[in-house]
Amino acid sequence: DAGVIQSPRHEVTEMGQEVTLRCKPISGHDYLFWYRQTMMRGLELLIYFNNNVPIDDSGMPEDRFSAKMPNASFSTLKIQPSEPRDSAVYFCASSLTVVAGNTIYFGEGSWLTVV
Amino acid sequence: GESVGLHLPTLSVQEGDNSIINCAYSNSASDYFIWYKQESGKGPQFIIDIRSNMDKRQGQRVTVLLNKTVKHLSLQIAATQPGDSAVYFCAEMGATDSWGKLQFGAGTQVVVTP
Repeated sequence: DAGVIQSPRHEVTEMGQEVTLRCKPISGHDYLFWYRQTMMRGLELLIYFNNNVPIDDSGMPEDRFSAKMPNASFSTLKIQPSEPRDSAVYFCASSLTVVAGNTIYFGEGSWLTVV
Repeated sequence: GESVGLHLPTLSVQEGDNSIINCAYSNSASDYFIWYKQESGKGPQFIIDIRSNMDKRQGQRVTVLLNKTVKHLSLQIAATQPGDSAVYFCAEMGATDSWGKLQFGAGTQVVVTP
């Protein structure tokens, strides 16, 4: 299996620009997660989907952030407009089920720098 | 609020020695724990998990110990190798919780020296 695939791996953008991060979960996984990792706050769950439906978006920082999952094999996380404080590594992850004992598989992350 | 945390931010270990990474948790309702390994430039990778009805679980070169009395979790790596250099995270949740309740600790950087 190819694992969770994220793009772009690295992005540098200017403040105010729109940023779109993309994710392809592992085939057959019905849960998809977006995490953000910073030195200050560690790993934070932003939002997660079950069968393409957003279940919990309480971690989304503010209205500038939005996430979609139009189908089972694709999700996007969009930041508009971006700000320097959004600089972080954004991880997409997927899982077969939400029951403990099943593993969450992480992608390699999208490293975002907003200048 | 209740959270998961790590005692040591950095652990330096000589190659071949055993490593012990510690994690304290404060949520007494947590009954499922996971250790993740994150290598530089990569995403977290599952290592081993343990439920609260166990106090020890072994994997390949790794052992997780759970002491519910003092709310302490540890990861032991036997015969540490250069490839073990990474940040290690503990995470906790209730066994019947959704993944949205999974809380990650701050992480411990393990550096393996020759």
